[in-house]
Amino acid sequence: KQEVTQIPAALSVPEGENLVLNCSFTDSAIYNLQWFRQDPGKGLTSLLLIQSSQREQTSGRLNASLDKSSGRSTLYIAASQPGDSATYLCAPGGATNKLIFGTGTLLAVQP
Amino acid sequence: NAGVTQTPKFQVLKTGQSMTLQCAQDMNHEYMSWYRQDPGMGLRLIHYSVGAGITDQGEVPNGYNVSRSTTEDFPLRLLSAAPSQTSVYFCASSYAAGGTYEQYFGPGTRLTVT
Repeated sequence: KQEVTQIPAALSVPEGENLVLNCSFTDSAIYNLQWFRQDPGKGLTSLLLIQSSQREQTSGRLNASLDKSSGRSTLYIAASQPGDSATYLCAPGGATNKLIFGTGTLLAVQP
Repeated sequence: NAGVTQTPKFQVLKTGQSMTLQCAQDMNHEYMSWYRQDPGMGLRLIHYSVGAGITDQGEVPNGYNVSRSTTEDFPLRLLSAAPSQTSVYFCASSYAAGGTYEQYFGPGTRLTVT
């Protein structure tokens, strides 16, 4: 059974800092991995989707990497801003599109 | 595109009542699914559908029914609400199964069962 762990559970950084969020999963037989952002009381916003054949994806200040064989993904946020404050969720997906979620990293960027 | 829409946004039920959570998407996505989110447990898959007329169970299907008569709609029915079903429910959709496509989530329905 796929299990997903996100470390750290919470993170507070000053504005402008670069930071890395970690995601590990136990079953490497995945088809993709998706990173989401969730603001309090809101739905999930997709940030990046990495296919199993890819090593990384970039969107603006965000860069996600995937090491499928070791069961790890990282989300790198450059030059963090207070607007980046949210919970970040990773979710590896299988052939049937089922996503298994971690419990997230709560990020606070202090102005 | 409105994307994935869910109604209602909030609902309070008494134990034993039934209700339907609505989910619709206007992106012609084949794949739709329902998740519930509980504190400290992450999102868990309830039911999913790979196309009209085809549904299957996820990780936590007990107490819920689904059907998919059209591509656009995927309602979730609570047969007899229980306090353990107090949660936030999210609907999601994507183009197809096969792990290729990004999934999009609705804004959620916050359900309280008393």
